[in-house]
Amino acid sequence: DAKTTQPNSMESNEEEPVHLPCNHSTISGTDYIHWYRQLPSQGPEYVIHGLTSNVNNRMASLAIAEDRKSSTLILHRATLRDAAVYYCILRDHSGTASKLTFGTGTRLQVTL
Amino acid sequence: DGGITQSPKYLFRKEGQNVTLSCEQNLNHDAMYWYRQDPGQGLRLIYYSQIVNDFQKGDIAEGYSVSREKKESFPLTVTSAQKNPTAFYLCASSIGGASNTGELFFGEGSRLTVL
Repeated sequence: DAKTTQPNSMESNEEEPVHLPCNHSTISGTDYIHWYRQLPSQGPEYVIHGLTSNVNNRMASLAIAEDRKSSTLILHRATLRDAAVYYCILRDHSGTASKLTFGTGTRLQVTL
Repeated sequence: DGGITQSPKYLFRKEGQNVTLSCEQNLNHDAMYWYRQDPGQGLRLIYYSQIVNDFQKGDIAEGYSVSREKKESFPLTVTSAQKNPTAFYLCASSIGGASNTGELFFGEGSRLTVL
């Protein structure tokens, strides 16, 4: 399975934008890039996903590099409720057996 | 409301005992997954099932067993063969198949402590 690499932790001030990077240099053509976040003692929550084009939704934006070897999750205005562990994973949509592996993610701290 | 329900939320077990964690979903999803999470760590895949009556081992299946007799249910048994079972267990589901978005829906987790 293709793997992803993320920084262990990042900090942000409240109401400032946050850019969370993810490297996935071994991504294949059928892999979608997914982002999830996890609050303490809860299950992960879906944030956003994309294939080639940049994506926006009510929670965040996803910027995907032209060569697809990296991507960036963008939180436009961080709030204290955005403090969580963010996971970047690759999801094969080819219809074959699909395993999803979560690494250790990036722990985002948001301060006042 | 549609979603995934895991039970129990907290469970204590004595060494040498088997324990079964329940996972039920009413989202009509084909695929279901079990993950284990240790403190400060990411999620590791134990077992997954793409369709009823079929399941596959994940990265850390030793000491665990599953069944998928019904589409909505995917129970996980932690057997006495699992040497370090104390962990947070997460169940997830997704639509499955080639036309799905791949989004995973997670339950709230079951925290197992072996005394």
